[in-house]
Amino acid sequence: GENVEQHPSTLSVQEGDSAVIKCTYSDSASNYFPWYKQELGKRPQLIIDIRSNVGEKKDQRIAVTLNKTAKHFSLHITETQPEDSAVYFCAAAPGNTPLVFGKGTRLSVIA
Amino acid sequence: GAGVSQSPRYKVAKRGQDVALRCDPISGHVSLFWYQQALGQGPEFLTYFQNEAQLDKSGLPSDRFFAERPEGSVSTLKIQRTQQEDSAVYLCASSLAGYLDRTPYSNQPQHFGDGTRLSIL
Repeated sequence: GENVEQHPSTLSVQEGDSAVIKCTYSDSASNYFPWYKQELGKRPQLIIDIRSNVGEKKDQRIAVTLNKTAKHFSLHITETQPEDSAVYFCAAAPGNTPLVFGKGTRLSVIA
Repeated sequence: GAGVSQSPRYKVAKRGQDVALRCDPISGHVSLFWYQQALGQGPEFLTYFQNEAQLDKSGLPSDRFFAERPEGSVSTLKIQRTQQEDSAVYLCASSLAGYLDRTPYSNQPQHFGDGTRLSIL
């Protein structure tokens, strides 16, 4: 089945700097890759997603890139702000099996 | 309501008791998922419904876990004879069915509820 690896597990950046979180997946059939932000004690919130027919997608300060050949995808957050501090999860979906999540990255933005 | 609603938010039970967790999905969402999230981990799939049909229950840890969605809307996850290892946050998510995807799973964006934090003493 699908296996998703996420790195780093923790990340600290200065306010205003960029943050990059990387995920790799194992199943070449995966075609949908969402990213979720989860604040402490709250629900995972979908922040951006990308499908396999697209290489990059951007939404204001957030962007996701996908490399199907290498089977990895990354989340990029620019101009980080303290409210970006949270745990971020990537996930991959082969379409015929359930969504598989990474273990998460705890991002701390230091003011 | 506008989002996925779960109740209760917190549940404490003694080992051996039965518990029932409720999920009210976004209106019109055909697909409903249950996940288990251990502390410091990502959500792990438990089971999936499309309308009232339970299409996948491969993630349920044991036969003590049972889920239903009898009218294709509200869903209940039941855990019988709870054990300490059942302690976790149980998340529910719903999504539109991706009829154009022609895949068993909709692969449409999943919207999560706040979860039920279950503690077994």
